[in-house]
Amino acid sequence: AQRVTQPEKLLSVFKGAPVELKCNYSYSGSPELFWYVQYSRQRLQLLLRHISRESIKGFTADLNKGETSFHLKKPFAQEEDSAMYYCADYKLSFGAGTTVTVRA
Amino acid sequence: EAGVTQSPTHLIKTRGQQATLRCSPISGHTSVYWYQQALGLGLQFLLWYDEGEERNRGNFPPRFSGRQFPNYSSELNVNALELEDSALYLCASSRLQGQGVNQPQHFGDGTRLSIL
Repeated sequence: AQRVTQPEKLLSVFKGAPVELKCNYSYSGSPELFWYVQYSRQRLQLLLRHISRESIKGFTADLNKGETSFHLKKPFAQEEDSAMYYCADYKLSFGAGTTVTVRA
Repeated sequence: EAGVTQSPTHLIKTRGQQATLRCSPISGHTSVYWYQQALGLGLQFLLWYDEGEERNRGNFPPRFSGRQFPNYSSELNVNALELEDSALYLCASSRLQGQGVNQPQHFGDGTRLSIL
């Protein structure tokens, strides 16, 4: 069974608007979760990991054990944020991905 | 540092044939992972190798197999190719730590396998 799910395949927002990508996991305990990003014509690369508790390119992600979620958020989206985003866990389960389009 | 390299970039085969895909990890990385990225299905985990041993396997049939060499490079072999095997196959590498993959993975550009 899929351990990591991303319910949204597509997400479109205007530049400067907040953006939130949803990620849910389906197991108990202390998961280690990641967000990966793939920009157009580039390799899939790590965006951030929850254990680091850092903000990368203005994005943050908080682990919510009560809701079993690891949503990715950015308060003000930029056009360069347009990309495919994947949520993944430490057991090699990737979500189906969310394509984000930021419109001017 | 040089990134993960995969070869070939594209591979065209017919049904029933066998395909071999290759991956060279980043220097210092001992773990290699293989994923299948079929259209609309996201990344599906195939295989994980570390120190020459298969550590984990995804939900794929036995005709998907691989190996890791002493220099940590890896091959993915797909036998008896079927049309639905057409996909982008991604390789990733990482350092290994702990019981799970809690080190970030670094991905290659992938091999596009097309089955005619």
